[in-house]
Amino acid sequence: AQSVTQLDSQVPVFEEAPVELRCNYSSSVSVYLFWYVQYPNQGLQLLLKYLSGSTLVKGINGFEAEFNKSQTSFHLRKPSVHISDTAEYFCAVLGGGFNKFYFGSGTKLNVKP
Amino acid sequence: EAGVAQSPRYKIIEKRQSVAFWCNPISGHATLYWYQQILGQGPKLLIQFQNNGVVDDSQLPKDRFSAERLKGVDSTLKIQPAKLEDSAVYLCASSLVTGAGELFFGEGSRLTVL
Repeated sequence: AQSVTQLDSQVPVFEEAPVELRCNYSSSVSVYLFWYVQYPNQGLQLLLKYLSGSTLVKGINGFEAEFNKSQTSFHLRKPSVHISDTAEYFCAVLGGGFNKFYFGSGTKLNVKP
Repeated sequence: EAGVAQSPRYKIIEKRQSVAFWCNPISGHATLYWYQQILGQGPKLLIQFQNNGVVDDSQLPKDRFSAERLKGVDSTLKIQPAKLEDSAVYLCASSLVTGAGELFFGEGSRLTVL
């Protein structure tokens, strides 16, 4: 089975500062990688995904992520965060056959004014 | 396009009582998932359906949890009897069976067991 590790449970950052949320996965085979965002009392929404091709993936709301196969990482970045980015972010791996998703434990991003 | 619908949004019950959650996936999505999200944790897959057949229920506590997907469309997740540790948000998601299936989530059903 796959596993996904999100190294930081909480990340506090000031508005307009850059942020990086870290994600590592365990796999020796090709996988598809996703970042989802969850706002309070809502379901998860897709931010971006890596399927193949360019290792730098751009998503919604100015977020981007870089797939690094050698380090089995898929870190999420944003150059300048807004208060509205305050949410929980989940990294996920699709692998193991037949649409089986594995989620990390989440990182709470708290953007302060 | 309508999203994944779930009900009820909130439910409070006492331990040993029963509860049922309903999910209607996006039209045309063959794959349906139920996830359990305990506070502070990532979603954990309980059961995955492909049309009306079960693909994976390895993490479903079958002594108390049951789920069905009649006619390959909407689905019901039941807990009977509930335990305190079942307090969580139950998320339903759906995806197309082909392609690198992006999951589309409902808003979830928050269960509190007292």
